Amino acid sequence: QKEVEQNSGPLSVPEGAIASLNCTYSDRGSQSFFWYRQYSGKSPELIMSIYSNGDKEDGRFTAQLNKASQYVSLLIRDSQPSDSATYLCAVNTGTGRRALTFGSGTRLQVQP
Amino acid sequence: SAVISQKPSRDICQRGTSLTIQCQVDSQVTMMFWYRQQPGQSLTLIATANQGSEATYESGFVIDKFPISRPNLTFSTLTVSNMSPEDSSIYLCSVESFGGRGGSTQYFGPGTRLTVL
Repeated sequence: QKEVEQNSGPLSVPEGAIASLNCTYSDRGSQSFFWYRQYSGKSPELIMSIYSNGDKEDGRFTAQLNKASQYVSLLIRDSQPSDSATYLCAVNTGTGRRALTFGSGTRLQVQP
Repeated sequence: SAVISQKPSRDICQRGTSLTIQCQVDSQVTMMFWYRQQPGQSLTLIATANQGSEATYESGFVIDKFPISRPNLTFSTLTVSNMSPEDSSIYLCSVESFGGRGGSTQYFGPGTRLTVL
């Protein structure tokens, strides 16, 4: 079982819709959770971090964390064509390990 | 967030040669990380570089192949030694940053795109 799992997509949504990206992780001791956006040919860009159960909103982005279900999601409201990218879920287990474990990424396509 | 630069941004190298990638940060950071992203894949951690100590390598990565230096709190290098076409990847430096509630985050440099012929 992979440590961090994401659906590879592509996830296709029309412009203005809500895009929902999901991620599950295997280590119950995981403490910190991140969503990165990566445009083709570019490095990952941090868009959201979440550390406790519940929702965290930042502009059009909402991260949701459910530690009991080992599930973290990212909602993008009013999706724009410029949101088309690969979204990487990353997890820090917090057990003395400072590096991140990444999922394989979900490719999002926002259709104009 | 920290401003991170990497040099070179890209290179094309011959099999059997070595390339050293530099990572420079605009502020002092304790932890730096080196990742590899092979074509179409996600990020895989190569090693963690902590200033003043030996780098810690992940399973499948060895110091002879990927020697790392961390001479101070703002700089690190990764060398890809005795390269083969399988080493063609994007190599990414990242740094750990603390701030806000919850804990640390990581920011990435722009990456070095390596092609080995």
